[in-house]
Amino acid sequence: QKEVEQNSGPLSVPEGAIASLNCTYSDRGSQSFFWYRQYSGKSPELIMSIYSNGDKEDGRFTAQLNKASQYVSLLIRDSQPSDSATYLCAVNEEAGGSYIPTFGRGTSLIVHP
Amino acid sequence: GAVVSQHPSRVICKSGTSVKIECRSLDFQATTMFWYRQFPKQSLMLMATSNEGSKATYEQGVEKDKFLINHASLTLSTLTVTSAHPEDSSFYICSARPVGGEQFFGPGTRLTVL
Repeated sequence: QKEVEQNSGPLSVPEGAIASLNCTYSDRGSQSFFWYRQYSGKSPELIMSIYSNGDKEDGRFTAQLNKASQYVSLLIRDSQPSDSATYLCAVNEEAGGSYIPTFGRGTSLIVHP
Repeated sequence: GAVVSQHPSRVICKSGTSVKIECRSLDFQATTMFWYRQFPKQSLMLMATSNEGSKATYEQGVEKDKFLINHASLTLSTLTVTSAHPEDSSFYICSARPVGGEQFFGPGTRLTVL
């Protein structure tokens, strides 16, 4: 059973702080990794994708990937109350020539003023 | 960015009826579309993978005769919930993916079965 694990939280941080979200995955053959944000009652929206080891920065967001340790993380700098949402980690795993996404359960982030 | 639409956004139906949900990729061709279901406060559950021109691949525990999926073109996939029951009430979300690309989600369809 291929798994993507996330701490369900909630993770509570003050406004302006750095929020750190972590995700581990079980399949070493995983090729691509994604972070999605989901507000309550809405569908997920893509924040970041990362494909190779190291850091990838986009505005206030930084995704970090370590394939050897099988973890991927998301850092949110200068957190804002509008960042309060559930963050889903997704991993694409190759299966029979196609890529099947597996989602973690999500981490609930609360940014308080 | 890539846009995926879903219709309807909300539907209420009586038990025993069938409901069709459409998923469209508006500005790209999607060789693969996915259908998810999400119950309140729970994670996304992949129901099936839909590939254009071929039969959908259903996840374990998902009844293919109950959840009919048709991916007739590179921009349209439909999910039909047949003989819906109250336990089928959920948030149904589709996503579409261009070749080798990232998934983009539709806005979701909230189904309530009375």
